[in-house]
Amino acid sequence: QSALTQPASVSGSPGQSITISCTGTSSDVGGYNYVSWYQQHPGKAPKLMIYDVSNRPSGVSNRFSGSKSGNTASLTISGLQAEDEADYYCSSYTSSSHVVFGGGTKLTVL
Amino acid sequence: QVQLVQSGAEVKKPGASVKVSCKASGYTFTGYYMHWVRQAPGQGLEWMGWINPNSGGTNYAQKFQGRVTMTRDTSISTAYMELSRLRSDDTAVYYCAREGTVGATRGVPKYWGQGTLVTVSS
Repeated sequence: QSALTQPASVSGSPGQSITISCTGTSSDVGGYNYVSWYQQHPGKAPKLMIYDVSNRPSGVSNRFSGSKSGNTASLTISGLQAEDEADYYCSSYTSSSHVVFGGGTKLTVL
Repeated sequence: QVQLVQSGAEVKKPGASVKVSCKASGYTFTGYYMHWVRQAPGQGLEWMGWINPNSGGTNYAQKFQGRVTMTRDTSISTAYMELSRLRSDDTAVYYCAREGTVGATRGVPKYWGQGTLVTVSS
């Protein structure tokens, strides 16, 4: 199972919006509405931000939103804030009942 | 509140085995699958497998088949991950993470432990 494809880095200024893409195949992202997104600050455990493509866990800001089209999922962060600077990972359920992660995207808030 | 507390850091020699524990609290242990995920220094997240604490059933990533064993002790609400024949590239932080879906898996590790650093060095 190959890792999902994410851009290595994205950046944006405070208040702007950014979008991170996550491309898989019909055996994972395209085949199931079970895409998740995680935020990870240095030295910390990942934190679930989006699950089932577009659902936010309780307590996650509504500035975070998710979507999917075909084999590509996307995470959008609106109204960028300094504390959003972190690594972001997508993941998907697969046809083997496995989980596959993306390679991660480093978000820099300028 | 859901809490996952993992065992402490380990240093192992190549060829040895390591067993990491993950003690769960704040929910019904047998109701949720437990995932194991690792992260090598400066690298991304890598899924290793899951265990169904209710049945003991497991599903491992192909990369770890034959080297990883996931078990649980329901009497103490603890999951274990044992990795054998360790190599230097197994040096990583190992996380347990509880599934978000009750009684099944949709591949959503929702609640994470604090991580256990395993260092493999001669």
